[in-house]
Amino acid sequence: DGGITQSPKYLFRKEGQNVTLSCEQNLNHDAMYWYRQDPGQGLRLIYYSQIVNDFQKGDIAEGYSVSREKKESFPLTVTSAQKNPTAFYLCASRPPAKKGQFFGPGTRLTVL
Amino acid sequence: QKEVEQNSGPLSVPEGAIASLNCTYSDRGSQSFFWYRQYSGKSPELIMFIYSNGDKEDGRFTAQLNKASQYVSLLIRDSQPSDSATYLCAVGIDAGFQKLVFGTGTRLLVSP
Repeated sequence: DGGITQSPKYLFRKEGQNVTLSCEQNLNHDAMYWYRQDPGQGLRLIYYSQIVNDFQKGDIAEGYSVSREKKESFPLTVTSAQKNPTAFYLCASRPPAKKGQFFGPGTRLTVL
Repeated sequence: QKEVEQNSGPLSVPEGAIASLNCTYSDRGSQSFFWYRQYSGKSPELIMFIYSNGDKEDGRFTAQLNKASQYVSLLIRDSQPSDSATYLCAVGIDAGFQKLVFGTGTRLLVSP
């Protein structure tokens, strides 16, 4: 089955810890994205990557880092510098034709 | 700041009625428009996209685009309780169709 997987589904972190969220896709899509969603707010773009070994900051990149070493994988690290990391994190990928982005199931991060 | 505006709702309609969801956007140069459905606690699911002025129909869904008024809408015919969800409007803001700006979503409630 083709699709986007994110793990873990739920993640709890203590303040001051870095944590890495996994995103994998087997759709052969070049473009991948990370968003966060907070209650009552729209999705906000954190980082995106159009091709392997290349990525760009989105609107709220501070406190986050990414890598794109393989086409299939686009992990997101939430660092201790991110002041309010509790949120629903969504990974997406986009096919070459202009047909929108497709989302993984998400990771819900809670900072204790 | 490029913006996408939606009424947060809830929009309440009886089963079998037509639900009309609306979205306005600020960037006159936007070329691609998407509707996502998001059930509570789940990730967004792409249900419609439209690029040209006019209407686009897919089953019970019709997307309408008016670029002169910077307005896009989603009509859901014969609404079902299973349509109860939050509907996110997203607008492509760059010529490469890489980046989307999302509205905060409209919550739809369909009562039996």
